[in-house]
Amino acid sequence: AQSVTQPDIHITVSEGASLELRCNYSYGATPYLFWYVQSPGQGLQLLLKYFSGDTLVQGIKGFEAEFKRSQSSFNLRKPSVHWSDAAEYFCAVGAEGNDMRFGAGTRLTVKP
Amino acid sequence: GAVVSQHPSWVICKSGTSVKIECRSLDFQATTMFWYRQFPKQSLMLMATSNEGSKATYEQGVEKDKFLINHASLTLSTLTVTSAHPEDSSFYICSASLAGVNIQYFGAGTRLSVL
Repeated sequence: AQSVTQPDIHITVSEGASLELRCNYSYGATPYLFWYVQSPGQGLQLLLKYFSGDTLVQGIKGFEAEFKRSQSSFNLRKPSVHWSDAAEYFCAVGAEGNDMRFGAGTRLTVKP
Repeated sequence: GAVVSQHPSWVICKSGTSVKIECRSLDFQATTMFWYRQFPKQSLMLMATSNEGSKATYEQGVEKDKFLINHASLTLSTLTVTSAHPEDSSFYICSASLAGVNIQYFGAGTRLSVL
């Protein structure tokens, strides 16, 4: 079965600084990988996904993620963080049949 | 596109009563819907997967008689928390996906508070 690890529970960055959120997965085959963002009291919004092809994927809100098979990683990046990016970020790994597992989440705080 | 509506967004109920939460796919037909539970500052835990017209598949440890799931149409799934107790208080989130498309679209969630 697939599993996801997000090593960082909480990250604080200054507005305008770059951001990288880490995600490591475990899955026997080529996974479907996702990053979602959740604002307080809200559902999850899909930022980006990787199914196959180009390992660098672009998402909404200026986010990108890179799939590195050798490292079993799918880290999320943004070159310049905005205060509105403060939220909880979840990495998820899926398989055929939509079975999806979520990481524990990383809470992002943005300092002015 | 791919909008999922969840209702109500917040419900408070007395212990022992039942609560129904609706999940609707507004602009697509959802062959599969998922129900998650999220405790404060924790990740989403899958409760069950439901396919239209068939019985839901529950994850280990989830009481199917307590959390009744109905997926009667391609656009609607309901979760009924029966005889709710304070320990059932949580944030419940649904998601929906299309056949053959491995993307889940999430509702805004329902906060359940059982007094």
